[in-house]
Amino acid sequence: KNEVEQSPQNLTAQEGEFITINCSYSVGISALHWLQQHPGGGIVSLFMLSSGKKKHGRLIATINIQEKHSSLHITASHPRDSAVYICAVWFLNTGNQFYFGTGTSLTVIP
Amino acid sequence: NAGVTQTPKFRVLKTGQSMTLLCAQDMNHEYMYWYRQDPGMGLRLIHYSVGEGTTAKGEVPDGYNVSRLKKQNFLLGLESAAPSQTSVYFCASSLIAGTSGIGEQYFGPGTRLTVT
Repeated sequence: KNEVEQSPQNLTAQEGEFITINCSYSVGISALHWLQQHPGGGIVSLFMLSSGKKKHGRLIATINIQEKHSSLHITASHPRDSAVYICAVWFLNTGNQFYFGTGTSLTVIP
Repeated sequence: NAGVTQTPKFRVLKTGQSMTLLCAQDMNHEYMYWYRQDPGMGLRLIHYSVGEGTTAKGEVPDGYNVSRLKKQNFLLGLESAAPSQTSVYFCASSLIAGTSGIGEQYFGPGTRLTVT
């Protein structure tokens, strides 16, 4: 069964803390997508990756294909990072769509 | 560039009424998607299109129809709305990218639909 699980579901951090959000999936994938959804509802693409690591500003995404696991890290967190972070995967065995996790709700307190 | 736009932003329907949601993109993307987002669940794919004139069913297609008559537009229709279709609807588009053909998705702002 094709499943995507994110942890934790909710996360509260103090400003400046290092944050890690996890995504695990059940079977092999072609690609993994990290997205950010702000309280207003808009969804923005952060990264798409199929191996290794990508970095953009304070955000870092890593993926371990063997362990079927990806992490999104935020360094020096800021209240403007408060949002829902969504992981989506494109499974090898279906090959026609992304499957989405339920999201991790992050609140960064000043 | 406006990116991906959706019309309308909000709508309230009575059970049995029909409506069409419009998605437009100005990025010349081949692929377009319609998703619904419900509390406690991940985004779920309703229908998608890999090019002008083509459409295909996603994970939850029942009760919806789509059309892609022009490359830049993807329409989602509800012929007879039901309360179970109360949701937030997102449109997305992407390029065909890389050897896998999978491209980064760009999302519209969403349409909040309530069916009473």
